[in-house]
Amino acid sequence: DVKVTQSSRYLVKRTGEKVFLECVQDMDHENMFWYRQDPGLGLRLIYFSYDVKMKEKGDIPEGYSVSREKKERFSLILESASTNQTSMYLCASSLGTVNTGELFFGEGSRLTVL
Amino acid sequence: ILNVEQSPQSLHVQEGDSTSFTCSFPSSNFYALHWYRWETAKSPEALFVMTLNGDEKKKGRISATLNTKEGYSYLYIKGSQPEDSATYLCALRGRRGRALTFGSGTRLQVQP
Repeated sequence: DVKVTQSSRYLVKRTGEKVFLECVQDMDHENMFWYRQDPGLGLRLIYFSYDVKMKEKGDIPEGYSVSREKKERFSLILESASTNQTSMYLCASSLGTVNTGELFFGEGSRLTVL
Repeated sequence: ILNVEQSPQSLHVQEGDSTSFTCSFPSSNFYALHWYRWETAKSPEALFVMTLNGDEKKKGRISATLNTKEGYSYLYIKGSQPEDSATYLCALRGRRGRALTFGSGTRLQVQP
């Protein structure tokens, strides 16, 4: 069974804290993604990576950075958390471009920034 | 940023009703169209990936059609059941890049 695992289901952090959200996939997928989901806005792409150490900005990268040191792991970093980053964060992975690109999602990490 | 729109935003139906949702996208920038189902407290799961104009796909009581020339896809649920209650997301993969752009979803609630 394919699996995408996100390290924390629920987090509460304070404004200004550094936050790490970890994501691991066991499918040997090339592509990994971070989305955030807010009511009425759907899933919005923050960053994605198509190979180890490669990354591309999505639609809303401001305030975020990412790290992909190993193929199976993709981390989202909030250098200094702010209240407007309170959201549900979803990690996903997919095979490379020649395939359908179907996304496999983790269960999400709900972050609250106080 | 690609513009993917879904309607309606939410829908309440009775058990046994058939229903449909719409996803519209820019026809000039099409590579593939995905449908996902997202149940509460679970991960979104792929229903269909469609790439060809006129494509029709079916999984049980759920089916989808695709018109790439006019830029829309329909998702149909026949004989809705309470377990169909979920948010249905469509997502477009454009000609460039590997990422998907999602619509805001249609939230379906099926009353027993």
